[in-house]
Amino acid sequence: DQQVKQNSPSLSVQEGRISILNCDYTNSMFDYFLWYKKYPAEGPTFLISISSIKDKNEDGRFTVFLNKSAKHLSLHIVPSQPGDSAVYFCAASSQGGSEKLVFGKGTKLTVNP
Amino acid sequence: DGGITQSPKYLFRKEGQNVTLSCEQNLNHDAMYWYRQDPGQGLRLIYYSQIVNDFQKGDIAEGYSVSREKKESFPLTVTSAQKNPTAFYLCASSMRAGATEAFFGQGTRLTVV
Repeated sequence: DQQVKQNSPSLSVQEGRISILNCDYTNSMFDYFLWYKKYPAEGPTFLISISSIKDKNEDGRFTVFLNKSAKHLSLHIVPSQPGDSAVYFCAASSQGGSEKLVFGKGTKLTVNP
Repeated sequence: DGGITQSPKYLFRKEGQNVTLSCEQNLNHDAMYWYRQDPGQGLRLIYYSQIVNDFQKGDIAEGYSVSREKKESFPLTVTSAQKNPTAFYLCASSMRAGATEAFFGQGTRLTVV
């Protein structure tokens, strides 16, 4: 039973355009969401997070949107750069609950020059 | 220079042998985690520890064992009971369990021949 779903295994965009990565979750107890970026043979690096009390969080070129009613979040990267090419993982946790991060399967983003 | 260190980066073992993967952090984090990454599977939680001398099974704990005798160390032993041990193993830590971002090590690629 996959609690965090990233339904697009891959995404390809042109440099300078917007990249939108999507994530859905099923567990209504989740109240904290994170995005991680991962290069091959390296550990994931934290990118941006959002608490369920917010619907948007922005950090430079990266913005995460949360739609609690739809149990959906998305990561927007504007403008996309070739160095953004990586696998992006969505993760979720519940502050008072499971004490663990649940990850999606990841979306491989390719930004073409 | 604070961080989380996994060693070795690459490890080869013969089938039937136990092997221990090292994970050390100097971030003074209470919580530590072990994840396994397989192609197309995302990150799956093996074990996690919220505090010294305590640890909990994750989603795929069978064939693995851990210890948490010191705050900064969380070694993972892959036993001969693990049916498919060849994988990329990631250790992570967070300030506390729950709604905080986790920081990852660089990973250990274990290959069992």
